[in-house]
Amino acid sequence: DAGVIQSPRHEVTEMGQEVTLRCKPISGHNSLFWYRQTMMRGLELLIYFNNNVPIDDSGMPEDRFSAKMPNASFSTLKIQPSEPRDSAVYFCASSFSSGTTNTGELFFGEGSRLTVL
Amino acid sequence: AQKVTQAQTEISVVEKEDVTLDCVYETRDTTYYLFWYKQPPSGELVFLIRRNSFDEQNEISGRYSWNFQKSTSSFNFTITASQVVDSAVYFCALSEYKLVFGAGTILRVKS
Repeated sequence: DAGVIQSPRHEVTEMGQEVTLRCKPISGHNSLFWYRQTMMRGLELLIYFNNNVPIDDSGMPEDRFSAKMPNASFSTLKIQPSEPRDSAVYFCASSFSSGTTNTGELFFGEGSRLTVL
Repeated sequence: AQKVTQAQTEISVVEKEDVTLDCVYETRDTTYYLFWYKQPPSGELVFLIRRNSFDEQNEISGRYSWNFQKSTSSFNFTITASQVVDSAVYFCALSEYKLVFGAGTILRVKS
């Protein structure tokens, strides 16, 4: 069975450019999460979708970040314009949850390593 | 608000030693879930265990064991007879309605 699929695996871009990270969750999962991992801040939850609806985006750093989930099988995280401090590994994860309470095991993608020069 | 504290930033042990990774959590809910994840040097996040707040039974899986104590809000993880392959970052996490991770503990097992 395919796990959570993220693309690209690595992205190097210059400051000011737009970056789009993509995620395909596991089929049948109804919750999707975007996390960012840095040495300084660890694993931070950016946004959480349940049934394609954003439930909690309080972790989104600022207006330069946006996330969408147009359907159950696809999500994007966009940074525009990108800055060097956005350099991090971005993980997408999915799970099955009843209601909006996340009780299930999260399955993580392999991550997208972003470097902004 | 939910919070997870892993006070041990880094632990180094020699192979075959037992090691315990500490996790303390804060929550106002009576219903919640606790998790441990492993992140090996390759970078992926691997699920190890999930416990709900109503199940305080300790669990053992091979060389891994977990001790959940609601009275002290702790969910500690012990590796018995550690091996070099156990070297990784270990994260404790708490879920009320979203999963929040602790800062992680780097475990280095030396041969």
